[in-house]
Amino acid sequence: AQSVTQLGSHVSVSEGALVLLRCNYSSSVPPYLFWYVQYPNQGLQLLLKYTSAATLVKGINGFEAEFKKSETSFHLTKPSAHMSDAAEYFCAVTLNQAGTALIFGKGTTLSVSS
Amino acid sequence: DTGVSQDPRHKITKRGQNVTFRCDPISEHNRLYWYRQTLGQGPEFLTYFQNEAQLEKSRLLSDRFSAERPKGSFSTLEIQRTEQGDSAMYLCASSRFGLGPTYNEQFFGPGTRLTVL
Repeated sequence: AQSVTQLGSHVSVSEGALVLLRCNYSSSVPPYLFWYVQYPNQGLQLLLKYTSAATLVKGINGFEAEFKKSETSFHLTKPSAHMSDAAEYFCAVTLNQAGTALIFGKGTTLSVSS
Repeated sequence: DTGVSQDPRHKITKRGQNVTFRCDPISEHNRLYWYRQTLGQGPEFLTYFQNEAQLEKSRLLSDRFSAERPKGSFSTLEIQRTEQGDSAMYLCASSRFGLGPTYNEQFFGPGTRLTVL
């Protein structure tokens, strides 16, 4: 069965600092991996996705993630945090390209201070 | 493209009452998904449809829950005899099924927050 683990339920950074949100996955087959962001009282928005093409994936708002099979990781990074990045971030995995159910981690809340 | 919409946005009900939520997907999307999100947790998959066919149901979807998508467009999720444990955010998502990098991205609605007293 597929699963994801997000290390750290809460991450705090200063504005301009590096953002690193951790995600490790477990999958018996090559996974498809996603990062979503959720702002208060809003639905989830896709930041980026890995679908077995390039291992370094670039997304919206300056975020990127690198798929590392040897470490079973898909960590999300951004070189310089903005106040507007404060939100909850979810890593998710699915079985295949055919778009079945997403399995989400518990989420990481990112706080950005000035 | 007006996005995925859900109605109502908030629902407060008493234990034992029935509630129904509606989801309107993006118009050209043939897949529709329901998820439940409780406080401090990530969304959990409940069920999904391709057109009007319900293709998969999670074991989380007890017999008090029923979902329909009668004409392959909007969907409803009904919870009968609500319990306090049903209090959660119910999220709907839709996607366009196909093979290739531009397909199968799930777009989420804003959710319906259910509070069972």
